[in-house]
Amino acid sequence: EAGVAQSPRYKIIEKRQSVAFWCNPISGHATLYWYQQILGQGPKLLIQFQNNGVVDDSQLPKDRFSAERLKGVDSTLKIQPAKLEDSAVYLCASSSLEGVGETQYFGPGTRLLVL
Amino acid sequence: QKEVEQNSGPLSVPEGAIASLNCTYSDRGSQSFFWYRQYSGKSPELIMFIYSNGDKEDGRFTAQLNKASQYVSLLIRDSQPSDSATYLCAARYGQNFVFGPGTRLSVLP
Repeated sequence: EAGVAQSPRYKIIEKRQSVAFWCNPISGHATLYWYQQILGQGPKLLIQFQNNGVVDDSQLPKDRFSAERLKGVDSTLKIQPAKLEDSAVYLCASSSLEGVGETQYFGPGTRLLVL
Repeated sequence: QKEVEQNSGPLSVPEGAIASLNCTYSDRGSQSFFWYRQYSGKSPELIMFIYSNGDKEDGRFTAQLNKASQYVSLLIRDSQPSDSATYLCAARYGQNFVFGPGTRLSVLP
């Protein structure tokens, strides 16, 4: 079974530029998450999709971040304009959430450095 | 506000010893709890989950859950240098997962 795919793996941009990340979840997983993980901290949920609908985006800085999951499969996360504090690893995860023990599976992440 | 707390460490143990990692959670509504291991520069990978009070064993790992105390722990027996990583505790609330900050474990040869 193929895992969660993300691209790019690394990105360096200057502040005020825009950037986009792509995620392809495990086949058949209805739930998709985007997390931001700052060095030394645990992952922080940015947005959660169930199929192509948003379940939770309460921690998404909506003035600069946007995300979509068209057709309920792939997803993109965009930052525009980027700030220095957006430097982090952006993790995409997916889950089928069938059963109390069902977990989420993480992609390799995208490391973003904002200069 | 649902929160998960962990001691950030670093926790240092000698090779072959038992490493004990602890986690507390603020909201009793959680259904299940997960331990992830994260190597430096890598994404989190699941070690095990627990949802019933008591102990759950999987190889060298034992998860313990005490819902009355809102406490979860992970014991690693016969610790190896390859166990050196950050261990993340997560609580699941419905479809949401809330992560702790992680505990950095260092196993000394």
